[in-house]
This record gives sequence, structure tokens and C-alpha cells, in this order.
Amino acid sequence: DTEVTQTPKHLVMGMTNKKSLKCEQHMGHRAMYWYKQKAKKPPELMFVYSYEKLSINESVPSRFSPECPNSSLLNLHLHALQPEDSALYLCASSQPPGLAGRVDTQYFGPGTRLTVL
Amino acid sequence: GQQLNQSPQSMFIQEGEDVSMNCTSSSIFNTWLWYKQDPGEGPVLLIALYKAGELTSNGRLTAQFGITRKDSFLNISASIPSDVGIYFCAGQRETSGSRLTFGEGTQLTVNP
Repeated sequence: DTEVTQTPKHLVMGMTNKKSLKCEQHMGHRAMYWYKQKAKKPPELMFVYSYEKLSINESVPSRFSPECPNSSLLNLHLHALQPEDSALYLCASSQPPGLAGRVDTQYFGPGTRLTVL
Repeated sequence: GQQLNQSPQSMFIQEGEDVSMNCTSSSIFNTWLWYKQDPGEGPVLLIALYKAGELTSNGRLTAQFGITRKDSFLNISASIPSDVGIYFCAGQRETSGSRLTFGEGTQLTVNP
């Protein structure tokens, strides 16, 4: 099973709202990722969790707050977003880098289409 | 961050034609990945390449890891309408940890 699930599929929120995106995988992967993707552009890495600890934050504004409650779940908490934050938010998972540095293949979820009004 | 040079940017072909796209870089990569993305969906892994010179097939798809480790190509044979989508290459270096470097994508349109 190579499935990563994300909820909700679509989300519309105002700039004063607080919402959360959820991601789940049951492949036994110990690395999970959040990406942001604008239309017809490649995904941009936001955060990486490795063994449930935040290992990479690509200078993402604090209005995005990731959380990894356990090895299968990844959340992205949203607060006071701007209209330019509207995008497709993708979750991915893989095994973390091994001793030789090789990273296992990343598998993506279907994404959450976020619109900020 | 640095991005791969992926070409062509878009392709318009007739059903049944073969397709070729490639990615090049000035840097060496240890892994090359090819993904396909349909509108409103997440990227789906097509082929993963781990060794220089490796040639791997997945049905009508064939991809190769360049011998210099700085490039990769993806071929699609006998295209069908459901091949429509955006194809992304992605490379990974040992020194970059979990980070993938993505190409800008190739938008494929297949006319029936």
C-alpha cells in the first residue's frame, strides 16, 4: 500500500480563521513532508519531520505551524493566512535518509486545495 | 532553491505518438525520480532511478539515469489520452538530506 491520505480535499478560509490540514500514512515511513504548490509550478518544500521531530523548516512564516503527533500523522495548523497563501498543499512520506545518505522515494498525497479570502 | 532544467516545457502530440522529455543539471544527483501530476491531484511516482546508467521501464514508460549522473530522460511510447498531465523530474543528492530538487515540469497534451 503506497497511499498517503489528506483531509480536507478543499478548504476555504478567511484571513482571521484558524484551520488545520491533516495527513496520514500507513506505510511505516518515518519521514513526512509538507509542500506548497502553485498552479503549473513544481512543489516547494516547507517542512520535514524525521522520526517525529522537525528536521527541516524552509524559512516558512509562523502562520504555518506543523505538528507530528505520531509516526503516521502529520498536521499543518493555519492561522492568519494571506490570500497569497492560496495553493495546493501536499503531504508526502518516505523513509528517512539512511547511513549512506540515500533517501527513500517520496510518495505524495492527493493534496488540499486551500483558498484564502 | 536550485531547479533542474526540464524540457520541453510543453508538448502537443497525437494519440499513438512517442514522447521524450529530459532533465539536466550542472550538479550530480544520486537519485532521479519521475512523477506525473493530474490537475488538482498530488504527484504520482512513475519511475525511480538509483544508479548511473540505469534504464528502467514501467509499462509504456522508460526512464534512464544518465551516466554522468547529471541528467535523466523519460520516454512514453504509443501515447494515449490518459497520459495527459504534468510530468516532473526530481533529483536527490546525498548532501541534501531529504530535499528533492524539482524540474519545472513538462505539460503533455494528447489529442485523440
